[in-house]
Amino acid sequence: KAGVTQTPRYLIKTRGQQVTLSCSPISGHRSVSWYQQTPGQGLQFLFEYFSETQRNKGNFPGRFSGRQFSNSRSEMNVSTLELGDSALYLCASRRQSHSYEQYFGPGTRLTVT
Amino acid sequence: ELKVEQNPLFLSMQEGKNYTIYCNYSTTSDRLYWYRQDPGKSLESLFVLLSNGAVKQEGRLMASLDTKARLSTLHITAAVHDLSATYFCAVDGIESYGGSQGNLIFGKGTKLSVKP
Repeated sequence: KAGVTQTPRYLIKTRGQQVTLSCSPISGHRSVSWYQQTPGQGLQFLFEYFSETQRNKGNFPGRFSGRQFSNSRSEMNVSTLELGDSALYLCASRRQSHSYEQYFGPGTRLTVT
Repeated sequence: ELKVEQNPLFLSMQEGKNYTIYCNYSTTSDRLYWYRQDPGKSLESLFVLLSNGAVKQEGRLMASLDTKARLSTLHITAAVHDLSATYFCAVDGIESYGGSQGNLIFGKGTKLSVKP
């Protein structure tokens, strides 16, 4: 059974640009959560989607947005990139809206120069 | 503000020794999660503890949960080099009955190094 996939795996962008990251959950999973991991702030929750609806959002500025498609694939977008957005972005999928176990993807390493 | 605190943050152990990582949290949640992360890799789920008094074991790792004390422990028995990694505990960011909302709040992690 294929795991969570994220594309691209590595990305280099310049300040002020925007970026879109993609996450494909495990087949049959309908919930996708996004996290940002940095050395300074650790792992922080960004948002969670279920059935194409954003149900929860972490404490991030409006430059961070996301969406989920009918096939449960999810994208997150960061506009007007700042140096501090350099991070490992992880997505995790769950089977249902109330499932406990989250399965994490390999992450997208974003570097902003 | 919801807080999850792990200690120690760094742990250097010798092979064969035992040690415990502690995770304190500030919610009244009765669920707690442990993850492992190898350098440059993603998170691997180790344990999901779903009730007070829950104890789970896998190989040399054993996790327990005391919801009254808001404390979880991850005990390492007879450490081996392969256990070297960063270990995170996490709780649900929003308390909900009947399931998780998928928004985990993580501790800062305990970087474990097991030396021969």
